Amino acid sequence: DTGVSQNPRHKITKRGQNVTFRCDPISEHNRLYWYRQTLGQGPEFLTYFQNEAQLEKSRLLSDRFSAERPKGSFSTLEIQRTEQGDSAMYLCASYPSGTENTGELFFGEGSRLTVL
Amino acid sequence: AQTVTQSQPEMSVQEAETVTLSCTYDTSESDYYLFWYKQPPSRQMILVIRQEAYKQQNATENRFSVNFQKAAKSFSLKISDSQLGDAAMYFCAYRRGGATNKLIFGTGTLLAVQP
Repeated sequence: DTGVSQNPRHKITKRGQNVTFRCDPISEHNRLYWYRQTLGQGPEFLTYFQNEAQLEKSRLLSDRFSAERPKGSFSTLEIQRTEQGDSAMYLCASYPSGTENTGELFFGEGSRLTVL
Repeated sequence: AQTVTQSQPEMSVQEAETVTLSCTYDTSESDYYLFWYKQPPSRQMILVIRQEAYKQQNATENRFSVNFQKAAKSFSLKISDSQLGDAAMYFCAYRRGGATNKLIFGTGTLLAVQP
């Protein structure tokens, strides 16, 4: 399967714990995006990378959140000291820069976080 | 700031019938793109159809077509000959022109298809 892969698919944690999600984009895609989707809402942009550079961060990304893409391939999203309000689906998407006219993002199946 | 509004939280359609999902958006940009994405239960979001703002002709992809009214900032999706597999959450999304390719999504419309 050459699609966007996210792990784990579901994480249940207690408030105050740290969690990390991983995203493996489609191999030739140099842009990678993280979105958060809460129940009844559309996905909200969190951050994006071009290769290993993090080019934009949303104000939704508090200082408890950190995202990395160290070698320009996979990315991790870490949430420290989780709160119940962090419960959501975290979506990763990738995009092949150089084909500006399409705009199609390729999404993974998401990582669902439940904070007890 | 750009916003996308989907005023229909849920819609239902009979198999083989036609349904239209509504979307309005607000922007002061002249260069932008609009999308409809489909999110089946527990599966990844996939692109249904795309419209470039500079194109007057409405986009069509098989049974899916859009009614793009630029002046009214309206972008509705029509699904013809609805099939059971069309049941999903549908999101309207906006992206301004430029390199970021950051999408702004509406709140979605949950489409049920009745056999």
